[in-house]
Amino acid sequence: KAGVTQTPRYLIKTRGQQVTLSCSPISGHRSVSWYQQTPGQGLQFLFEYFSETQRNKGNFPGRFSGRQFSNSRSEMNVSTLELGDSALYLCASSWTSYSETQYFGPGTRLLVL
Amino acid sequence: GENVEQHPSTLSVQEGDSAVIKCTYSDSASNYFPWYKQELGKRPQLIIDIRSNVGEKKDQRIAVTLNKTAKHFSLHITETQPEDSAVYFCAASKNNNDMRFGAGTRLTVKP
Repeated sequence: KAGVTQTPRYLIKTRGQQVTLSCSPISGHRSVSWYQQTPGQGLQFLFEYFSETQRNKGNFPGRFSGRQFSNSRSEMNVSTLELGDSALYLCASSWTSYSETQYFGPGTRLLVL
Repeated sequence: GENVEQHPSTLSVQEGDSAVIKCTYSDSASNYFPWYKQELGKRPQLIIDIRSNVGEKKDQRIAVTLNKTAKHFSLHITETQPEDSAVYFCAASKNNNDMRFGAGTRLTVKP
């Protein structure tokens, strides 16, 4: 069974631009969570989607948004990029919630110049 | 909201020794506590988890203990090997609400 995939793997943007990241969960998994990983802040929860609905949201500004499609694939969008948004963005999938084994994707490394 | 603190931030042990990483959480309603291992340049991987109705769980050389009264849980690795070198993260969540991670512990196992 294929693992969690994320595209693109690397991205360079400039301040003020917007970006869309994609995550394809393991087949059959319906819960997709997104995390931001930075050296200074560690792993921080962004949001979780289940059955096309955002079920939980972390403490990030409204510039961070996401969605989930009927095939459970998920996208996250960051608008009006700031230098501090430079990070590794990880998604993770699980069958029904993250209160069970989550499988992480390889991440998308975003650099904002 | 939930706050998770993790100690130590770095840990160096000799091969064969034991390693212990401790986490405390603030929300007494938290009921799910996973531990993740992240090797350099790789994705986090779940190594063990525990739920609030269990006090201890073991999987070969890895064990996790949970003290609900004190609101802390610990990861124990026995007979450490160089391949155990990685960053370890603890996390806590409750009833499908947001998961909060500790800041991570960089474990180095010296051969």
